[in-house]
Amino acid sequence: DTGVSQDPRHKITKRGQNVTFRCDPISEHNRLYWYRQTLGQGPEFLTYFQNEAQLEKSRLLSDRFSAERPKGSFSTLEIQRTEQGDSAMYLCASSLEFGLERTDTQYFGPGTRLTVL
Amino acid sequence: SQQGEEDPQALSIQEGENATMNCSYKTSINNLQWYRQNSGRGLVHLILIRSNEREKHSGRLRVTLDTSKKSSSLLITASRAADTASYFCAPGKSTFGDGTTLTVKP
Repeated sequence: DTGVSQDPRHKITKRGQNVTFRCDPISEHNRLYWYRQTLGQGPEFLTYFQNEAQLEKSRLLSDRFSAERPKGSFSTLEIQRTEQGDSAMYLCASSLEFGLERTDTQYFGPGTRLTVL
Repeated sequence: SQQGEEDPQALSIQEGENATMNCSYKTSINNLQWYRQNSGRGLVHLILIRSNEREKHSGRLRVTLDTSKKSSSLLITASRAADTASYFCAPGKSTFGDGTTLTVKP
């Protein structure tokens, strides 16, 4: 397995356009997370899925943001009507959680860098 | 949800020296994890320490956890230029501080 992959790696768009990012987790991992990271700061949690169910969403995830994981495998993150403030690195991570112990040890992809002009 | 706060924000040392970074958090945890991030890349998991553990080693890494003080430290011994990166702690689930930026000068 080659780890978590994200596509595209870079996206430049104009304000007001919609963008969609894709994340392919490690194949046997049942949890998938999305984060946003701006320069000099740590990753900000956006949302996570357990299989295909979206279990938690941050209040940072405004109505313009939507995430799906239709078959419990890959996930997409869509941003509608992009704003300049959406410019950031969008990180995806996956983990394998089972049993009673939850470790949240996450494996991150390389990220998608979004620039909104 | 809580997040860890790393200290110092930035650390610059010479190759071969040891680097110590600290993390504080606010509520009880089941475990705490440390991650590294090279510039422009995703995070890489370094080590997990459970709440019933006080110290853990992995290669040149040593992590301590003091649940009474709600703090953890990450020690990198005999640092190398390749250790230059940002280091984040994650106390519990999916929460990260702003990290410590470590620069190791050759």
